[in-house]
Amino acid sequence: SAVISQKPSRDICQRGTSLTIQCQVDSQVTMMFWYRQQPGQSLTLIATANQGSEATYESGFVIDKFPISRPNLTFSTLTVSNMSPEDSSIYLCSTGGHEQFFGPGTRLTVL
Amino acid sequence: GQNIDQPTEMTATEGAIVQINCTYQTSGFNGLFWYQQHAGEAPTFLSYNVLDGLEEKGRFSSFLSRSKGYSYLLLKELQMKDSASYLCAVSPPGGATNKLIFGTGTLLAVQP
Repeated sequence: SAVISQKPSRDICQRGTSLTIQCQVDSQVTMMFWYRQQPGQSLTLIATANQGSEATYESGFVIDKFPISRPNLTFSTLTVSNMSPEDSSIYLCSTGGHEQFFGPGTRLTVL
Repeated sequence: GQNIDQPTEMTATEGAIVQINCTYQTSGFNGLFWYQQHAGEAPTFLSYNVLDGLEEKGRFSSFLSRSKGYSYLLLKELQMKDSASYLCAVSPPGGATNKLIFGTGTLLAVQP
């Protein structure tokens, strides 16, 4: 099983600023994914973070708003740019595979 | 596209059995997952079905019928700690390391 950590665990940010969330896996993984979970809702996939190439974004999510880095097989970052209160959510990273593991999440509140 | 439906909420009694259903319509299929998520925590993996039939794992079992686009999660001998959201997710085709499309989740309340 993979152990995934995320930083920060939570943050409160001002409108118009940006926050970068880090995701660290304790083993090398081919695929990493970023999800968003808005209050009281299920998970929505934002993008697939590919090592050595640009991320693949789902419908409704764009690189300018959610730039992603994947510098190696154990690490990825997601930036939430030019934040608005609608971006208040929990952001989770996960690894691919038959038994996908999730990080503990980053709880973001935008004022 | 993908459409995954689950009941929003369910209530059951401690010690009983509960079945949480999930129906899906997807443009492709590479497996169905069930996750448990307690409030304020990350989802934890429960089961994975890619072939038709029942997969049993302790008190939890998951069933899949690909022809019907239907799955259920069966929880036996319910305990208070089973109160959580249960998320059904489908993996579109593309290999074992693919993304997940989640249903809306079912909030299960276990009562004494």
